[in-house]
Amino acid sequence: NAGVTQTPKFQVLKTGQSMTLQCAQDMNHNSMYWYRQDPGMGLRLIYYSASEGTTDKGEVPNGYNVSRLNKREFSLRLESAAPSQTSVYFCASSEAVGWSIGGTDTQYFGPGTRLTVL
Amino acid sequence: GNSVTQMEGPVTLSEEAFLTINCTYTATGYPSLFWYVQYPGEGLQLLLKATKADDKGSNKGFEATYRKETTSFHLEKGSVQVSDSAVYFCALYSSASKIIFGSGTRLSIRP
Repeated sequence: NAGVTQTPKFQVLKTGQSMTLQCAQDMNHNSMYWYRQDPGMGLRLIYYSASEGTTDKGEVPNGYNVSRLNKREFSLRLESAAPSQTSVYFCASSEAVGWSIGGTDTQYFGPGTRLTVL
Repeated sequence: GNSVTQMEGPVTLSEEAFLTINCTYTATGYPSLFWYVQYPGEGLQLLLKATKADDKGSNKGFEATYRKETTSFHLEKGSVQVSDSAVYFCALYSSASKIIFGSGTRLSIRP
């Protein structure tokens, strides 16, 4: 059982280049999430998808786009990378459809993608 | 808005020492509270959670009690091991703010 997988693990971009981070889960989860993790800060939510076919902005969506390709896959795209987007990106998934009212839904995280923008 | 504040690290302890990592929160309503752990090179894993006041979450010898009167959710373990070395994140969920993570506390355990 692979859980949540992310590709690539490392990436270096030049300012202005574009790229797509891939995420897939094999747990038949309904909700998927993209976070960024910066030094000295907690994870910040970029976008999430409460169910197949829906996406919503999180705390820091500017400069990113997402696609929920199907129930398994949720990709994050940087159209024109900037140095401020240098970070570690984590994808996560959870079973609930949307944010459960009790907020008890456990999120399962991938291993992360370390992105450097020069 | 809602927020989570954790004690700054790094925290360095000797094996078998008692651990406390402080976490306080600001939130309207009744958020759910979580502790996640991140081992080197890995993504976050849920360690424990509590969904209402006075609930105690526990897992792998770690405990945290949801204290509404002090808006706290401190993580404790009676006897730490080298394998507990990791970064620990306190987090809260509310319908208004979704999930918010603290900045993380790095824990190092000396043999």
